[in-house]
Amino acid sequence: DQQVKQNSPSLSVQEGRISILNCDYTNSMFDYFLWYKKYPAEGPTFLISISSIKDKNEDGRFTVFLNKSAKHLSLHIVPSQPGDSAVYFCAASITGNQFYFGTGTSLTVIP
Amino acid sequence: DTGVSQDPRHKITKRGQNVTFRCDPISEHNRLYWYRQTLGQGPEFLTYFQNEAQLEKSRLLSDRFSAERPKGSFSTLEIQRTEQGDSAMYLCASSPARYGEQYFGPGTRLTVT
Repeated sequence: DQQVKQNSPSLSVQEGRISILNCDYTNSMFDYFLWYKKYPAEGPTFLISISSIKDKNEDGRFTVFLNKSAKHLSLHIVPSQPGDSAVYFCAASITGNQFYFGTGTSLTVIP
Repeated sequence: DTGVSQDPRHKITKRGQNVTFRCDPISEHNRLYWYRQTLGQGPEFLTYFQNEAQLEKSRLLSDRFSAERPKGSFSTLEIQRTEQGDSAMYLCASSPARYGEQYFGPGTRLTVT
């Protein structure tokens, strides 16, 4: 049972524009959400997180939005850069213990 | 380099053999996680430790899998009687706190022939 879903396997964006990556979840008990970036042959790298008590968290070019009523999470990257090209995973957790990951979205930023 | 390290990076084994992987977390990170990732999927949680105590195991972790973290430092993941379905990338991550970010190692790619 896939409790965290990323329905877009890929996304292409022009350099300088906004990238929006989406994530849906089914378990209303999730209280902590994270986004990771992964390059080939490397482990995932943490990008940004958000607690369920917030609806927005910002770190530089990266902003995560949480809509609890819709059970929806999104990552905005502004402006997008070619170095952002990677696979992005969202993850969710109940009480910070077991983490559930989505299947990933491959982002390509076109120069 | 004080990141998470995993050894070996690649392992090819024949079906039925036992394999053991090692993970060295970032020092003083008390939480250590094991994940399995197959092609086209995200990491799937296997188990985690807080210090030396194994606190949770996924139902994905069959009786053939065992993990240890002696003295709360490095961890090992052993797979006994490997099957072709065990072929995957095995990722280790460590975290300084319960709601902290996880730092992943580069993974061990297992191929069972």
